[in-house]
Order: sequence, then C-alpha cells, then structure tokens
Amino acid sequence: AQTVTQSQPEMSVQEAETVTLSCTYDTSESNYYLFWYKQPPSRQMILVIRQEAYKQQNATENRFSVNFQKAAKSFSLKISDSQLGDTAMYFCAFPAGGGKLIFGQGTELSVKP
Amino acid sequence: GAVVSQHPSWVICKSGTSVKIECRSLDFQATTMFWYRQFPKQSLMLMATSNEGSKATYEQGVEKDKFLINHASLTLSTLTVTSAHPEDSSFYICSARSLLADGTDTQYFGPGTRLTVL
Repeated sequence: AQTVTQSQPEMSVQEAETVTLSCTYDTSESNYYLFWYKQPPSRQMILVIRQEAYKQQNATENRFSVNFQKAAKSFSLKISDSQLGDTAMYFCAFPAGGGKLIFGQGTELSVKP
Repeated sequence: GAVVSQHPSWVICKSGTSVKIECRSLDFQATTMFWYRQFPKQSLMLMATSNEGSKATYEQGVEKDKFLINHASLTLSTLTVTSAHPEDSSFYICSARSLLADGTDTQYFGPGTRLTVL
C-alpha cells in the first residue's frame, strides 16, 4: 500500500532563517509526481511545489525547494528566508491512482518574528 | 494558476435538513473532482471521487446515501449532505484535477466550506 509519512507534527523557525520539513513515502511505482501543499489559517490549500520523480533535478520555486531522494523515498521541503506569511500547515502528497492524492499527517510550521 | 471556487464558505443548518455545497473550476475544465473532509488539526480525508457524467466513487466507510455527489458539467460538482446531524459538522474541501497535454497532473483546491449542524 502507498503511504506518506510526515514525522514532524510541529516546527518553528525564526523569521529570515531556513527550515526543512521532512516527508517519506512508500510506493512501487516508478514514475509519479510528489507535491507539497500549504494550508494557512484561512484553510485554503495552496500548491507550493511539485516534483516529477523521473527528473533528477530538484524542483525550486522562489524560496521553496525540495530535496528529492528517490532511492530513499524521501521528499523534504526547504524554505529559505522564512517569512511570517509562511506560517501554515504543510502537507506532502503522493498520487494514489485515478488522480487521487494521499496526504501526510501534516507539519504545523510557525515563523516567529 | 488554476482557480477553484466553493460555495457557500460556511453554513449553519438544523439537524435533519439537507445542505448543498458547490465546487467550480473557474478557468479550466475538470473531468475529475474530489471531495475531502477535514477535522481540526488533522489531515485531509478523501470522501469520494466525482467524475463528470458518471457516478461518484466513494471511499470505504463513506455513506453514499448521506453524501450525494453530482458532477453535471466539466466545471461543476456538488456535494449534498442529506439529513444532516451534528456529527456531520466539519470542514469540507473540494479539489479539481487539472490534466495538461504534457502529462502534468495537479489538483487545485477550493477554499472549503465550514458546515455546522445544530
């Protein structure tokens, strides 16, 4: 069965510093996408970044980047120069077939001034 | 980016009544939409997959007669909570699947609906 695990329920970081959120998954698929979504206090789910498993290069979107280790089935999110607006719940997600997504348990990130 | 709207954003209803929630993809067509339920401080729980022009597929443990889903067009799916009870109070989120010609497959989410059943 496909599973997604986020082992850090809560994290905090000082404004302007860097933080890394971890995610591991289990699958027998060889080609797939991986996603990080952000859910701020408004509860709107926002796509942060997407990684294609067949691409060796790690995805980057402005201050957000991933460290994708396919063999280790690890997909961590690095947030550089953290801002107060980055305070949110972060979910990693993995496709489960038919377009479905399996979500991790979430990591609640607090950015402190 | 792709935009998905959801209406209403919040609703309060009396026990025993039915409530309909709409999910629309505003700038793209979505043959597949999904409905999730989320409790406070928890992850999203997939309730059902809504396919345009066909019956929805429900996840194990979700009562299809209580949570009626209709996907009448490529931009609209509705979730009706029938005979709502207080235990149905929750945050309901829809998403729409965007499939591009290059194979990119992404879900975009609506802002959610907070349902309170008195």
